[in-house]
Amino acid sequence: DAGITQSPRYKITETGRQVTLMCHQTWSHSYMFWYRQDLGHGLRLIYYSAAADITDKGEVPDGYVVSRSKTENFPLTLESATRSQTSVYFCASSGGQQASTDTQYFGPGTRLTVL
Amino acid sequence: QKEVEQNSGPLSVPEGAIASLNCTYSDRVSQSFFWYRQYSGKSPELIMSIYSNGDKEDGRFTAQLNKASQYVSLLIRDSQPSDSATYLCAVNQAAGNKLTFGGGTRVLVKP
Repeated sequence: DAGITQSPRYKITETGRQVTLMCHQTWSHSYMFWYRQDLGHGLRLIYYSAAADITDKGEVPDGYVVSRSKTENFPLTLESATRSQTSVYFCASSGGQQASTDTQYFGPGTRLTVL
Repeated sequence: QKEVEQNSGPLSVPEGAIASLNCTYSDRVSQSFFWYRQYSGKSPELIMSIYSNGDKEDGRFTAQLNKASQYVSLLIRDSQPSDSATYLCAVNQAAGNKLTFGGGTRVLVKP
């Protein structure tokens, strides 16, 4: 049971490049989320999705794009990376049968550095 | 603005003692409350969830909820060095399964 996975785990890129972070979950959870975590700011929600083809903005969506064509995948794209997007990115999911539907389970994270 | 507040710490406790962590929230309609533990360099992992006023115990952990005071706490009994981590309080929002996280309390358990 893989649960929720993220790839890559580490990424170094340059300013202006497009970067896509992948998130995959095997629980058939309906909800998926992208957070960024920075010192002094805690976890901040970037985008979330209630189901395939349904996405919505979170607290800090600028500079990011998401899509969800399949329930199990929720990629996050930085269209033109900036240094301020250097962060640790966590994907999470919720909405399964085994627990309260709003309990979120987190992936291992992607550490992104933009030079 | 919906807020979740925690003391950032560090909260330093001797091994074997009780660690007490506090969290206040501003949204009165919140119904679900969570405590996550996050080790340095790792992802948050769920410790406990609580939905009703009162206490909920799970092993060495006890969550306490007081909706009238908009307050949720976590007690860690018989603290161990392996409990040294940052503890995140999370509160649900009214819709969309979204959670609002506090900034976290760093706990240091000294042998």
